[in-house]
Amino acid sequence: SYELTQPPSVSVSPGQTASITCSGNKLGNIYTSWYQHKPGQSPLLVIYQDRKRPSGIPERFSGSNSGNTATLTISGTQDMDEADYYCQAWDSTTVVFGGGTKLTVL
Amino acid sequence: QVHLVQSGAEVKKPGASVKVSCKASGYTFTRYPMHWVRQAPGQGLEWMGWINTGKGNTKFSQKVQGRVTITRDTSASIAYMELSSLRSEDTAVYYCVREDLDSFDIWGQGTMVTVSS
Repeated sequence: SYELTQPPSVSVSPGQTASITCSGNKLGNIYTSWYQHKPGQSPLLVIYQDRKRPSGIPERFSGSNSGNTATLTISGTQDMDEADYYCQAWDSTTVVFGGGTKLTVL
Repeated sequence: QVHLVQSGAEVKKPGASVKVSCKASGYTFTRYPMHWVRQAPGQGLEWMGWINTGKGNTKFSQKVQGRVTITRDTSASIAYMELSSLRSEDTAVYYCVREDLDSFDIWGQGTMVTVSS
């Protein structure tokens, strides 16, 4: 079965740029989405179709996808961005999530 | 506004079944597939399956295949997820999620299911 691999944790200082990667075989050939998940809340879609932002998502969130790696980039990271982030893609007719990355802003 | 409202928390014994409902509002229910995703304590998101809300056909993950049923009532705009032969590892928050453009744009509030003897 298809697997998506994320680093367990990423740390960033406020105002700096955070990059979270998601790796999978030929991932660049399929769309990747990204979700932000804070404790006690439902996950929130922040990037879809590799690089598109839903309405209401700040411009500091951006995405890219090429080769075997998709990347979520948060520019000018703020304290409120501290959360778990998950990538997601389709494997034919089933869905796969990455294991999640805990973003710490310190 | 688009909303997915799920049924309340459940406590079940091992071997029992649980059925969680998800009522959609603010959009045409049959135009968007509905998925179910769960998160066990301390774990990541796990996709369980989905239903074509128009035609009713379903697809499930290999992990829960054979124990999970997803149905819908189009007249009431409600999707259901039933999980049988419950075990402690099924303790999790269960989410219904609307799919649009290959991604999950609307999430229910989550339903906590606890499996304990």
